[in-house]
Amino acid sequence: AQKITQTQPGMFVQEKEAVTLDCTYDTSDPSYGLFWYKQPSSGEMIFLIYQGSYDQQNATEGRYSLNFQKARKSANLVISASQLGDSAMYFCAMSPLGFQKLVFGTGTRLLVSP
Amino acid sequence: GAGVSQSPSNKVTEKGKDVELRCDPISGHTALYWYRQSLGQGLEFLIYFQGNSAPDKSGLPSDRFSAERTGGSVSTLTIQRTQQEDSAVYLCASSFGGGRVDTQYFGPGTRLTVL
Repeated sequence: AQKITQTQPGMFVQEKEAVTLDCTYDTSDPSYGLFWYKQPSSGEMIFLIYQGSYDQQNATEGRYSLNFQKARKSANLVISASQLGDSAMYFCAMSPLGFQKLVFGTGTRLLVSP
Repeated sequence: GAGVSQSPSNKVTEKGKDVELRCDPISGHTALYWYRQSLGQGLEFLIYFQGNSAPDKSGLPSDRFSAERTGGSVSTLTIQRTQQEDSAVYLCASSFGGGRVDTQYFGPGTRLTVL
């Protein structure tokens, strides 16, 4: 079974600063994928970034990067140069390779202040 | 291009009534997923379709819940004899269903309230 742990219920950051959202995971699968989704107040889950367990390099997508430390089983999301529109819930999720169900963490609510 | 769409966006029903929730996946996506998001339980997987078959129904909470998918496209989640604990946001997602990276893209959800 897989488990995702997000220990930060809420985070505050000032506009233009960087912020790290923590995610640790537990799995016995040899290969897996790690995902981050953003859920603004409108409710839709927006895909941000993906990291495969087999990838040697950390994933990056624009202002988002994933700090993947396989030995520590962590997959932290780093948002650089925060913007007011980044205020939302952020969910870390994982699935075994084979395009099956996602297991989600409990989420972190990020508030970006001017 | 069009994303995943769900209808209705909101549904209020009385306890004991049946409800149907609809999901239109992204065109060409063969895999379709239903999840439920509630305050107490977080985000929970319900069922996964590959084409019209459902190889993983492990998340359906009871036999009051069923889902089908026709033509490898539209899916309907049916909840019979709704209970108050069924109140939640029901999210649908779709993916290509193949390849090394199979990202799931979500619809806006259906908010179900059972009175």
